[in-house]
Parts: sequence; C-alpha cells; structure tokens
Amino acid sequence: AAGVIQSPRHLIKEKRETATLKCYPIPRHDTVYWYQQGPGQDPQFLISFYEKMQSDKGSIPDRFSAQQFSDYHSELNMSSLELGDSALYFCASSLAGAIADTQYFGPGTRLTVL
Amino acid sequence: QKEVEQNSGPLSVPEGAIASLNCTYSDRGSQSFFWYRQYSGKSPELIMFIYSNGDKEDGRFTAQLNKASQYVSLLIRDSQPSDSATYLCAGSYGNNRLAFGKGNQVVVIP
Repeated sequence: AAGVIQSPRHLIKEKRETATLKCYPIPRHDTVYWYQQGPGQDPQFLISFYEKMQSDKGSIPDRFSAQQFSDYHSELNMSSLELGDSALYFCASSLAGAIADTQYFGPGTRLTVL
Repeated sequence: QKEVEQNSGPLSVPEGAIASLNCTYSDRGSQSFFWYRQYSGKSPELIMFIYSNGDKEDGRFTAQLNKASQYVSLLIRDSQPSDSATYLCAGSYGNNRLAFGKGNQVVVIP
C-alpha cells in the first residue's frame, strides 16, 4: 500500500538559511499534519491542514509557515534557521471521518543546521 | 504537565515473555488513543488505536482503555527481539492533533 512520502530525506543547512520540506499524503487522505522530533524527545505537533485550510496550530515558530496545495501535498517552509531547529520532521496524513482519524507517518526529513 | 504521561523507564523482557506498557492522560476530552512503535531514527509506526473502554486485541498486541481512570495500556505477548523499540502512547486532542508521551524503550533479550 502507498505510504506518506517526504522529501528530502536529509537536509543540511547553515544558520539563517531557509529550508522547504515537502509531504505527499497517502492517496485519498485529505488531512496533513507536521511534527517535530528533537533528539531524545517525543514528536511535537506543529500544524495541520484539512482540505487546504489550516485546521490546527501547535508550537510552530513564527519563522515557519506551511500550506496544503490543491493536490493535498503540503510544504513546510522554515526561515532564519537556528541550531535548535535541527530535528526530525515528520509528516502524517489521515482521512477525515475514518475510524479514529488514524494518522500514518512518513519516513521523516532529518534537518541538520550547522 | 504533559497531556499524556509515560513514566516507566526502559523495560527489559526475555524473549517469549509479556511486555506491559502503561500511560495516563490528563484531558478527559480526548476520545482516541494510539500506540506507535518507533525504531531509532525511524518514523512512528502505528500498532493499535483504541477509543472504547475495555480491551482490544490484534495479534500479539492487546490495548486497554479505562476512561474513568484516564489510563491506557499495551500488552505485547510472546515478545520477539524485533519488538525492541520505543513505544509511544498518544492521545488525539482538538482537531485531531496527537499529543505523545515520552515513550518507553523496550528491550527483548534473546
């Protein structure tokens, strides 16, 4: 079965640079979520979109923005990168109305800020 | 205070034994709970979800939910070395955002 696709899988940036992470949800899934997982930490919710509209917002810095496009893929844009932004970034997708709105996670993007 | 708490330290179990994991949650508004397995450096992989009081079994895994006590547990029967991983308990809140516990590391000893 098709899974969530994330690109790139690894990204190395310098401080103050910008980064764009992409997420392609499971086909027919209409909701996308972004999570950040620092070393030794649990995943922290950043933001989610349903039918191209922001549906919830968590602990996402103002330097970050995101959107969902008409084909349901989503992009997380990160500017003025800081060392503390180094983390695994996961995208998850779900189908609204499905049992428990279960979220399925992509393989993640490992961002390293030098 | 975190919405979902997993307080147990690393758990070592012999191969073939039962591993028992627990978590508690603080918001009665949460309706659904999930157990994810995460190998080091990999993404969380869904094991089970539960939203009704009682037990739910799927293969070697059994999840239990007690809404009155705000308690969720996971039993892994016949533990295998491939079960060695971190197990994350999560509850859904608001518009379905997940709040995770800190996770429990399970080590299955052959």
